[in-house]
Amino acid sequence: GDSVTQMEGPVTLSEEAFLTINCTYTATGYPSLFWYVQYPGEGLQLLLKATKADDKGSNKGFEATYRKETTSFHLEKGSVQVSDSAVYFCALSVLQGAQKLVFGQGTRLTINP
Amino acid sequence: GAGVSQSPSNKVTEKGKDVELRCDPISGHTALYWYRQRLGQGLEFLIYFQGNSAPDKSGLPSDRFSAERTGESVSTLTIQRTQQEDSAVYLCASSLGPGANYGYTFGSGTRLTVV
Repeated sequence: GDSVTQMEGPVTLSEEAFLTINCTYTATGYPSLFWYVQYPGEGLQLLLKATKADDKGSNKGFEATYRKETTSFHLEKGSVQVSDSAVYFCALSVLQGAQKLVFGQGTRLTINP
Repeated sequence: GAGVSQSPSNKVTEKGKDVELRCDPISGHTALYWYRQRLGQGLEFLIYFQGNSAPDKSGLPSDRFSAERTGESVSTLTIQRTQQEDSAVYLCASSLGPGANYGYTFGSGTRLTVV
């Protein structure tokens, strides 16, 4: 079945460090790929998405590129801020049936000043 | 409303009791999803409603779980004879259509604690 595996956390970085959170997927079809973020005390929010191979999603300085050949969608940011501290979820959705989201287990990111 | 509204935000219940969780989707959103988020884990799909079609119940973990939705409005998730392993945050999401293309908007969730 469809599944998402993401880098285990927690991840702790200093402000202005470079961030990578790895995400790989298994899907029977051609999925859309998503990164969601959950800030402390808040609901789940869409951070970025990509719907086909080689697409790059970007938002708030974060980027991720849909790599079909490596079945990956790694999240990157060049210079993190304390306000980026949150839990990040990689997810996929296949364009058939319910098109439900299949989530990775989440990575907790803490940025220290 | 402007977003997906869930109530209650927190619920503590005794083992064996029934609970009912409510989701108000964004007006006009025909698709509605329920997910469960256990502590330290990702989200698990529970059930999907799309308009007046038969729901996709493939994620419901046991027959103690059920959900209803009337048309394109409010949905309720009912857990009967709650167990401690039901403790989790229950999230609702809605979408203009099946979500992969239209995108999903999540509510803030109901935190259920079974004691």
